[in-house]
Amino acid sequence: GENVEQHPSTLSVQEGDSAVIKCTYSDSASNYFPWYKQELGKRPQLIIDIRSNVGEKKDQRIAVTLNKTAKHFSLHITETQPEDSAVYFCAASWPGAGKSTFGDGTTLTVKP
Amino acid sequence: DAEITQSPRHKITETGRQVTLACHQTWNHNNMFWYRQDLGHGLRLIHYSYGVHDTNKGEVSDGYSVSRSNTEDLPLTLESAASSQTSVYFCASSAGTGSYNEQFFGPGTRLTVL
Repeated sequence: GENVEQHPSTLSVQEGDSAVIKCTYSDSASNYFPWYKQELGKRPQLIIDIRSNVGEKKDQRIAVTLNKTAKHFSLHITETQPEDSAVYFCAASWPGAGKSTFGDGTTLTVKP
Repeated sequence: DAEITQSPRHKITETGRQVTLACHQTWNHNNMFWYRQDLGHGLRLIHYSYGVHDTNKGEVSDGYSVSRSNTEDLPLTLESAASSQTSVYFCASSAGTGSYNEQFFGPGTRLTVL
């Protein structure tokens, strides 16, 4: 089955700096890569996703890049703010599957 | 507004007891999932369903069961609770059978097995 590895497990940045979280996947058939944000004590919520026919996608301060050849994708957050502090999960799913395999999460702390 | 709910939100039980966690969604989604979240392990899939009367095992299904008798509900049963099943449980749902489907998560149930 699919295996998703996520790095780093913890990340601390100063407010205003950029943050990058990287994930690798094992199944070359995977074609959908969502990112979820989970604030402390809350449920995970989708913040951005990318399909395999696209190399990059942006939404304001967040962007996701995908390298299908290397089987890795990354989340980029620019101009970080304290409210960006949360656990971020990457995931991968493949055609015909309604389910995703999740990475183990990255705890991002943005210091004011 | 459509939503996904879980009950109870907190549960304390004893080893060996049967426990059922409820999950209810009003989006009319075909797909429903149960995850457990433990520190350092992210979200691990327990069971999932693609529609009424369909159930499938996830990566950590031992000791858990589900049944899907209607579109809205997917209750999770711990047949004989063990301390290793102390965790936060999230239910989720998504539309359709394709892979490009955002999952919507419930608020979670914190289960403690003493």
